[in-house]
Amino acid sequence: ETGVTQTPRHLVMGMTNKKSLKCEQHLGHNAMYWYKQSAKKPLELMFVYSLEERVENNSVPSRFSPECPNSSHLFLHLHTLQPEDSALYLCASSQVLLGRGTDEKLFFGSGTQLSVL
Amino acid sequence: GNSVTQMEGPVTLSEEAFLTINCTYTATGYPSLFWYVQYPGEGLQLLLKATKADDKGSNKGFEATYRKETTSFHLEKGSVQVSDSAVYFCALASGGSYIPTFGRGTSLIVHP
Repeated sequence: ETGVTQTPRHLVMGMTNKKSLKCEQHLGHNAMYWYKQSAKKPLELMFVYSLEERVENNSVPSRFSPECPNSSHLFLHLHTLQPEDSALYLCASSQVLLGRGTDEKLFFGSGTQLSVL
Repeated sequence: GNSVTQMEGPVTLSEEAFLTINCTYTATGYPSLFWYVQYPGEGLQLLLKATKADDKGSNKGFEATYRKETTSFHLEKGSVQVSDSAVYFCALASGGSYIPTFGRGTSLIVHP
């Protein structure tokens, strides 16, 4: 148990659906991240939030929309996805934005396995 | 830009065998280097790290030495167990952004 909880664990959706992924951390961390894990590819950083403000957005298509209402919760809203968006979506958190503290460590959730039909 | 190259998997070993998973990197400046491990059905966990040249990170019997001259950070363990079966990710963080850049991951399968 890493203290980072993601729901749902599995999600199947059609290309016209709208769904949301949820991440919650109980660690008192101030930075949260979304990563995409596809088979045989490096982990892709999607979004970074620090103190509820987005600090990085790595050219992610607009069909992915993040939301960070407070430092404990992070959402990824999905709409009109494509089959190539099927992947494991991982949420992570860190005490502060990495590089600004002494502990450079990410805590990951177990991920949401997304299948787009 | 930063990048991490890991050996292709899966790596299949018998219990008590010696493990090496190769990792090389390209980075600006002097990066910090990490190994993360992902057990089946779980998220990634930090396994070990090294923040400067010649540092050795170690944890749970795993070791990796930061080699600046060869830009490498190979993961080793002297005697693997079935419970070590997982996917191992090499990562680095450097420059203006300390957000880790990850490799593709190397799957390790250990048979009894």
